[in-house]
Amino acid sequence: QVQLQESGPGLVKPSETLSLTCTVSGGSISSYYWSWIRQPPGKGLEWIGYIYYSGSTNYNPSLKSRVTISVDTSKNQFSLKLSSVTAADTAVYYCARASRNWGWRGGYYYMDVWGKGTTVTVSS
Amino acid sequence: QSVLTQPPSVSAAPGQKVTISCSGSSSNIGNNYVSWYQQLPGTAPKLLIYENNKRPSGIPDRFSGSKSGTSATLGITGLQTGDEADYYCGTWDSSLSVECVFGTGTKVTVL
Repeated sequence: QVQLQESGPGLVKPSETLSLTCTVSGGSISSYYWSWIRQPPGKGLEWIGYIYYSGSTNYNPSLKSRVTISVDTSKNQFSLKLSSVTAADTAVYYCARASRNWGWRGGYYYMDVWGKGTTVTVSS
Repeated sequence: QSVLTQPPSVSAAPGQKVTISCSGSSSNIGNNYVSWYQQLPGTAPKLLIYENNKRPSGIPDRFSGSKSGTSATLGITGLQTGDEADYYCGTWDSSLSVECVFGTGTKVTVL
């Protein structure tokens, strides 16, 4: 079955760029929507955005100016970059596989496979 | 400051039933599909319900989802100690142009 694994630095300095990679195993990245979600300590979930294997993206407007999600289909990986980080960006970051669609009956967006998450702390 | 409101906590004895509400508006729950996630302590969220009331393979039928108007409900019957977790609803929000918004989360405690 499909498995996801996040990787990247656990500590990032304020004002720098947070960079994480999610490796997809057990299946191809060339379908579905690939998402990033984060969870600050003791708080709820926040959707960051997604990328489709073709490269199309959509981001949470609250983070859009600082977020870039990219995909490398040859490596079965997708990545997150979050610039100009502050302590408020300290969180567990999850990657996930998403299904989404929008039609006359409304839209759906749900994530059925998740990585285990990686903790990123923003501190000098 | 989520647009989806859930009760902070619910509790019941083993074997009993609990329901968790998720209240939104016409721009989110009212016109879009709802999903539910279970997050056991220290673990990643797990999809329990999608498209309002569908269960992924492997999710027991003790878990059920429903939607009415601008609210959705997750039901858990035959409560087990292993059900102690945080539960989140999620949906699309058309007015915010956010394809995925989560609820505030509900802690389920098995007494």
